[in-house]
Amino acid sequence: EVQLVESGGGLVQPGGSLRLSCGASGFTFRSYGMNWVRQAPGKGLEWISFISSSSSTIYYADSVKGRFTISRDNAKNSLYLQMNSLRAEDTAVYYCARARDSDYWGQGTLVTVSS
Amino acid sequence: EIVLTQSPGTLSLSPGERATLSCRASQSVSSSSLVWYQHKAGQAPRLLIYGASSRATGIPDRFSGSGSGTDFTLTISRLEPEDFAVYYCQQYGSSPPWTFGQGTKVEIK
Repeated sequence: EVQLVESGGGLVQPGGSLRLSCGASGFTFRSYGMNWVRQAPGKGLEWISFISSSSSTIYYADSVKGRFTISRDNAKNSLYLQMNSLRAEDTAVYYCARARDSDYWGQGTLVTVSS
Repeated sequence: EIVLTQSPGTLSLSPGERATLSCRASQSVSSSSLVWYQHKAGQAPRLLIYGASSRATGIPDRFSGSGSGTDFTLTISRLEPEDFAVYYCQQYGSSPPWTFGQGTKVEIK
């Protein structure tokens, strides 16, 4: 059974940093690209980043480019999102999802940016 | 950036009725890169349709997708109680950003 479990969310002050993790199981993690998608309170889904299986291709949405860094460790079956210079508008539930078409999603982790 | 516009914003229907959801792109989208998701509050989104018209694993055949170019449609032939949710289309073409529509809420009338 494919499972994706996000962790690392929490309350952080504006300008602060946070690192999200996504643990994967039930499939060959190193064979799949991975996405991060977020949903702000009361808003729709927003794609924010993609990393290919070998980390050779990385994409970001303009809203996070230069502040967020996606990475992965295939030996640990883990995906990461380093978030720096956080803003109030980054408050959201952050999901990791498998493959370009996001065929499996985690349950999400809540990030709250507030003083 | 490709903008996806979903309509209507809210669809009020009764169980057993047919639901037709639209997703219109600001420029042509490859059908192979157009997907539909179902999202219920507090749950992970679920992939329904990939490649514009192929049902994902385990998705009932009352869900169908169609369209090409700039106009795509998700149809639910007979609404079941568990189908009341928010539905999103997304494109992930060759040039990011990969955008979502704003969503269509299907609510019980």
